Amino acid sequence: EDQVTQSPEALRLQEGESSSLNCSYTVSGLRGLFWYRQDPGKGPEFLFTLYSAGEEKEKERLKATLTKKESFLHITAPKPEDSATYLCAVQAGTSGSRLTFGEGTQLTVNP
Amino acid sequence: DVKVTQSSRYLVKRTGEKVFLECVQDMDHENMFWYRQDPGLGLRLIYFSYDVKMKEKGDIPEGYSVSREKKERFSLILESASTNQTSMYLCASSLGLALLQYFGPGTRLTVL
Repeated sequence: EDQVTQSPEALRLQEGESSSLNCSYTVSGLRGLFWYRQDPGKGPEFLFTLYSAGEEKEKERLKATLTKKESFLHITAPKPEDSATYLCAVQAGTSGSRLTFGEGTQLTVNP
Repeated sequence: DVKVTQSSRYLVKRTGEKVFLECVQDMDHENMFWYRQDPGLGLRLIYFSYDVKMKEKGDIPEGYSVSREKKERFSLILESASTNQTSMYLCASSLGLALLQYFGPGTRLTVL
């Protein structure tokens, strides 16, 4: 069974204080790992897709990395508008188009 | 831009009522999905569809059914709503073999 575990559950940072969110996964044949951002009361918004170990992607203050067991979402010099819940999801070779989601990390950035 | 819309942002229903949640996508995507999202449980897949009139059960199909009569529209039906179906319902779509799913804004359903 595919499993995704995100840590920490919640993270509170000061503006400018860099940190990382973790997504550990157990799947049979990873086809893709996804990061989404979700604001309160809204649907998830796509951030990154990673396909193979060693791959990295960046967007503004966010950088996602992937190893064979986990992914990190690094946040550099965060701003209050980065406050959101960050979701990680994986797609396995045996699951067709289905995604398995972690429970998310709720990030709060204080000014 | 891909657009996935859901019929209601907020919905309040009574126990035992039949509830319809509708999702429409405008990008000719083959795949459509219904999830529910609950605190501490994350997103859980209820049903999905690979094509018109095709449907497959997800991880928590009990108490739900779906309908896909047109490619762009995927409906989730609660035959007899119960209080434990109070949740945020999210629809998503994806193109063929593509992995990326695009999500709608969600429907917050409260069953009293």
